[in-house]
Amino acid sequence: QKEVEQDPGPLSVPEGAIVSLNCTYSNSAFQYFMWYRQYSRKGPELLMYTYSSGNKEDGRFTAQVDKSSKYISLFIRDSQPSDSATYLCAMVEFYSGGSNYKLTFGKGTLLTVNP
Amino acid sequence: DSGVTQTPKHLITATGQRVTLRCSPRSGDLSVYWYQQSLDQGLQFLIQYYNGEERAKGNILERFSAQQFPDLHSELNLSSLELGDSALYFCASSVAGAHDEQFFGPGTRLTVL
Repeated sequence: QKEVEQDPGPLSVPEGAIVSLNCTYSNSAFQYFMWYRQYSRKGPELLMYTYSSGNKEDGRFTAQVDKSSKYISLFIRDSQPSDSATYLCAMVEFYSGGSNYKLTFGKGTLLTVNP
Repeated sequence: DSGVTQTPKHLITATGQRVTLRCSPRSGDLSVYWYQQSLDQGLQFLIQYYNGEERAKGNILERFSAQQFPDLHSELNLSSLELGDSALYFCASSVAGAHDEQFFGPGTRLTVL
C-alpha cells in the first residue's frame, strides 16, 4: 500500500459546483498536511496547509483533516473555470527532533470546471 | 511568476550521458528543494539544501547529486542517464525549512532518448 493515495480522476464539474478532493494515508506519523494546485505546464503552488485535525477555511477553499481516519480533503465552493488544474495533497513527517523530515505527495487529481 | 528561475527549460540527451540543471531561488530564500515529476511516480521530493548545507534527502538516486553555492543558486547533476529519468524537474525555494511555504520554479523538462 502506498503511503499516500489520491484518486487521479479526471474530475469534471459544472461551474458553481462544490468540489471535493480527497487523499488517504497510511503513515500515522504525518503531522503537516498541504494542498497544492498545479496548472498545466507550471510548477505547483501552495493552496493551504494545516497541522491539526479539523477544518481550515480560506475563501472558497476548505481543508479538512481527520487524523483518526487518516483522511484529508479539500473542498472548493462555487467552483470556477480558473480552478481547472491538478490538485496534489502533500504530507510531512518530522523526525530527529524536527531537524529532518519526510515529504510525500499524492499523485494529483485533475479537475476540470466547465463554464 | 514565483521568482524562482530554472534553466534550461528543455533538455534532450541520450542514455548514459550527464546533465546539470540550474536553479536560482527567490531573493532572500535560503532553502532550495529539488523534485522530480513523472506520470507514473507523480511528484517526488529529491533533496533540500539550506544555506549551502544538505538538510533533507528524499528519493534521490545515487546517480543524482546536488549542491548549493555561496550565492545560494543550486545545481542538480544527473549522471548515467536512463530512459526512466525522463521527467519534469522542479526546483523550489523557501525562506528556511519545511514549515515554510515553498515557491516552485517553472521546471526543466528532461527527455532521455
